[in-house]
Amino acid sequence: NAGVTQTPKFRILKIGQSMTLQCAQDMNHNYMYWYRQDPGMGLKLIYYSVGAGITDKGEVPNGYNVSRSTTEDFPLRLELAAPSQTSVYFCASSTTRTGGYQETQYFGPGTRLLVL
Amino acid sequence: DAKTTQPNSMESNEEEPVHLPCNHSTISGTDYIHWYRQLPSQGPEYVIHGLTSNVNNRMASLAIAEDRKSSTLILHRATLRDAAVYYCILSSSGGSNYKLTFGKGTLLTVNP
Repeated sequence: NAGVTQTPKFRILKIGQSMTLQCAQDMNHNYMYWYRQDPGMGLKLIYYSVGAGITDKGEVPNGYNVSRSTTEDFPLRLELAAPSQTSVYFCASSTTRTGGYQETQYFGPGTRLLVL
Repeated sequence: DAKTTQPNSMESNEEEPVHLPCNHSTISGTDYIHWYRQLPSQGPEYVIHGLTSNVNNRMASLAIAEDRKSSTLILHRATLRDAAVYYCILSSSGGSNYKLTFGKGTLLTVNP
């Protein structure tokens, strides 16, 4: 059971380039999330998904896109990378109990992105 | 969303207890109190959560005030590995219950 895995671990992008950050989980969780964390700050929610085929915006969605074609995978797409997108990106997953209470979120190790 | 207030930093000595406070004066009746921590260069990890009663697990204890407007995460014997940023987060059991809002947390330094 690998939990939540993210690739790549580190990437340098030039301004205007695009890339996809990969996230996969093997816990059969229905909820998945993408967060970004800037230096010295807490995590901010970019996008989330409550199940395959369903995604919604979080707090800071501009400049990003997501898709959720399977339960396991939740890739994050950066189009036209900008220096403001330099950050550490964390993917997480969770499930819910009957009654709506959210279970623990499990986080991946993160992808460090530098846009120059 | 109800907010939480935590001290920016705290310091402890190894093998001593640590009490990490969190204020959440606008907490609603359906809000659970979660604690996560983030070790250096890692993703956050779950520590403990509770609703009204005090909770214990292998990692820590959570003491919740009777009026639920504050809580305290207790590490019974701090180790060097407990040095991390600790986040106190409220999560509702209804509506947008799946979202966690992370603040800046408390940076815990553990001295040998």
